[in-house]
Amino acid sequence: GAVVSQHPSRVICKSGTSVKIECRSLDFQATTMFWYRQFPKQSLMLMATSNEGSKATYEQGVEKDKFLINHASLTLSTLTVTSAHPEDSSFYICSAAVSPSSNQPQHFGDGTRLSIL
Amino acid sequence: GENVEQHPSTLSVQEGDSAVIKCTYSDSASNYFPWYKQELGKRPQLIIDIRSNVGEKKDQRIAVTLNKTAKHFSLHITETQPEDSAVYFCAASGTSGTYKYIFGTGTRLKVLA
Repeated sequence: GAVVSQHPSRVICKSGTSVKIECRSLDFQATTMFWYRQFPKQSLMLMATSNEGSKATYEQGVEKDKFLINHASLTLSTLTVTSAHPEDSSFYICSAAVSPSSNQPQHFGDGTRLSIL
Repeated sequence: GENVEQHPSTLSVQEGDSAVIKCTYSDSASNYFPWYKQELGKRPQLIIDIRSNVGEKKDQRIAVTLNKTAKHFSLHITETQPEDSAVYFCAASGTSGTYKYIFGTGTRLKVLA
C-alpha cells in the first residue's frame, strides 16, 4: 500500500517551455502532498506543500509564479514549471502521507528528471 | 526554523562491519524522525522511523536511537552488505504544527566487499 506515482519520469525540452509534472496517490487519499527539488549529490529541498482545495504553501525563496501547484483532487497534485530555463534543470520529487499527521511517513514518487536545453 | 545537520557526508566500511550515521536537529518541537535510503536516480525509501516518545527502535539489522535532550538521533546498520551502499537521509518533522520534513544533507555509504 501507500503507492505514489509520478509522471513523466524524464523531460527534455527547450528553454522557455512550460512543463507539467503529475503526482498521484494510487491507493490512498492525500489531502497534502509535498514537492521537492534535488540537485545532483545534494539533499531534498522542500519547495512547497500542496493542499487539496486550497493554495499551496511555498518555502522561502521559491517563486510561486514560476512553480505553479494545483491540488484539485484527493489523489492528484500537479507542479508546472513555467517558462523553464537551464537553471531549472533538476530532479523533482513529490511525496504524500496517508494521514495528515506529523507522525506519519511520507511516501515518495519516482521523481522527474527535468533537463532544459 | 528547523535545521538538521547530518554526519558524516561519506562513509566507507568493510562488509560485515557496522555503520553509524548521526543527525542533530534544532527545533525541540520536532516529534518524528524518519530515515530514508536513496539509490542513484531513484526515489527515497523509508527504512526506519522513530517518534519522540521512544528512545530506540530496531528492525533486523537497522536501529535508530533518539536523544531528545541533546536533540540528536542516529542510524545504526549492523552486518553491512554491499547492497546497503546508497545515500541515507535523516529528516525531522512536526515543528510548528506542520508535518513537512526538513532533511539532513545526506550520507553516502559505501560497503566494500
